[in-house]
Amino acid sequence: ETGVTQSPTHLIKTRGQQVTLRCSSQSGHNTVSWYQQALGQGPQFIFQYYREEENGRGNFPPRFSGLQFPNYSSELNVNALELDDSALYLCASSSPDSYGYTFGSGTRLTVV
Amino acid sequence: GQSLEQPSEVTAVEGAIVQINCTYQTSGFYGLSWYQQHDGGAPTFLSYNGLDGLEETGRFSSFLSRSDSYGYLLLQELQMKDSASYFCAVKGGGADGLTFGKGTHLIIQP
Repeated sequence: ETGVTQSPTHLIKTRGQQVTLRCSSQSGHNTVSWYQQALGQGPQFIFQYYREEENGRGNFPPRFSGLQFPNYSSELNVNALELDDSALYLCASSSPDSYGYTFGSGTRLTVV
Repeated sequence: GQSLEQPSEVTAVEGAIVQINCTYQTSGFYGLSWYQQHDGGAPTFLSYNGLDGLEETGRFSSFLSRSDSYGYLLLQELQMKDSASYFCAVKGGGADGLTFGKGTHLIIQP
């Protein structure tokens, strides 16, 4: 098992720009979800993908969008970046026969 | 909506036992999970309770009472490496993601 890998590990963007974060899910996991974690807080659910379709979404605006590819890897896209988007973005993968999610180490996004 | 409450910080001594409590309010409930996160690291799955009772995995145990909307994580034989943040999380159901508490920062003293 290779686990969940995310890239890049750190990123600095300017307000108003767009960003794409990438995630490779754990082998055998067909569901991927994304979370935003502000400093000192718990992760907040952004959305979930299963078989390349978004099938669950948290309380995030449409400028947060994503993709899942046939190999179950995924992207998170954020348009029109705001200062409050500065956070750790976590990708998690899971399989139908497991209750636990496997998280990546995240991408630390700073918006200036 | 869903909300979870857990203490912000707990301090314990190496070798001792510590319990981290979690109460929740949810519109749907598909189980209570616990995750450990070291500073700068990925959350790591520790345990899951779908039914009432105690689940044991090595030094860690987790308990759930659905009638009380309450659970706890019990850590025994504490080691310095257990210093981390611990999050309880619930899944509302279907394609809902996990809703996390704000986390409990566990400090282990020698």
